[in-house]
Order: sequence, then structure tokens, then C-alpha cells
Amino acid sequence: AQTVTQSQPEMSVQEAETVTLSCTYDTSESDYYLFWYKQPPSRQMILVIRQEAYKQQNATENRFSVNFQKAAKSFSLKISDSQLGDAAMYFCAYRSAGAGSYQLTFGKGTKLSVIP
Amino acid sequence: NAGVTQTPKFQVLKTGQSMTLQCAQDMNHEYMSWYRQDPGMGLRLIHYSVGAGITDQGEVPNGYNVSRSTTEDFPLRLLSAAPSQTSVYFCASAEGRNQPQHFGDGTRLSIL
Repeated sequence: AQTVTQSQPEMSVQEAETVTLSCTYDTSESDYYLFWYKQPPSRQMILVIRQEAYKQQNATENRFSVNFQKAAKSFSLKISDSQLGDAAMYFCAYRSAGAGSYQLTFGKGTKLSVIP
Repeated sequence: NAGVTQTPKFQVLKTGQSMTLQCAQDMNHEYMSWYRQDPGMGLRLIHYSVGAGITDQGEVPNGYNVSRSTTEDFPLRLLSAAPSQTSVYFCASAEGRNQPQHFGDGTRLSIL
């Protein structure tokens, strides 16, 4: 079974600075998808960024980018120019690309605080 | 656009009571799923459906039933609520298996 580990229960960053959230995963598969979801206090789960394992290029969405290291099974999220609205729980998630695979496996989350 | 709508947003039950959590999506998505979120545990898959009439179990299905009679609706039933089912429940939908999932706003369920 796949597992997703987020080793930082809490992180903080100064407004306008850059922060990196860590995620590692364990799998024997070669084709899969990785995601970062943001959960603000409103409780809504918001997709931040998605990476397909067969793509070597790191995904980028505006101020959010990932560092995908397939051999190391690492998938970190970098938030640049941090804003107060970035304060939230961030979840890393894995999903197999294999036929019949539907389950998202989530890490336990990292709580990000943004200091004004 | 409504997206994924969950009702109710909050509910308190007594042990042994039954309840149905509603989930509806208006995006014509084939894939729908239910997760529960517990403190320090992340989200865990309860049940999922790949289309009307088709459902299957996820990681933590015990104590829950689902059905999918239409593409739009995917209700989650607790037949006999237990305190261990106190959690926040999320419904999600996706256009296809390889598409990102869209989540509802969640239902906070407390069982006394």
C-alpha cells in the first residue's frame, strides 16, 4: 500500500518570503499522480497543484511550484511571495495511475502560518 | 456554478441513530467519492463510485453504506452511528479517473 508522509506538522513564514513544505511517499509503481491540496479555516479542500509522474518538468501554478524528485520519492511544495491568504493546512496526496485505481492517499498535513 | 454540494453542514447524533449525508454535483462527473477527515489522520477514502449503479469500498468502509442511482447524487448512510464515526466528511467528484477531484465543503458530524 502507498503511504504519504509530511514530516512538518507546522510551519511558519514571513509575509512576502518563500517557504517549502515537504512530502515523501512510498510506492512500487512507476506511473502515478501527486497533488497538493490547501484547506483554509473554511474547511474547503482546494487543489493547488498537480504533478504527473511521467513528466520530468516540475509543475508550476503562479506562486506555487513543486520540486518533484521521482527517484527520491519526494514532492515538495514551494510557495513564493507568501501572502496572508496562504495560511492554511496543506495536504500532499498520491494516486496511482493504474487501471482500477481511484483512491487518493493523503498525508497528515502541514499547518502553515503566515506572519504579517 | 454550484459544484459539489453537501448537506447538512453540521449534525449531532446519538449513538445508534441512523443518518444520511447528502452529496450532489452538477458537473456531470462520473466519479464520486466519500472521505472522512480525523485530526492528525489526513483524509481517508470510505466509498467511491465510477458511475450510476456502480460503487466500491475504499480504505475505511465499515459502518457506512452508499448507493448511486443517478449521476448527480451519492448519499452516504450511517446505519447505526457510533462515537468512532465522529469526523468531518467530504464528498468529491471528478470528470474521470485521471482528473483532479473537486471537493464539497464538508459535513461535521458529532456522535454522542
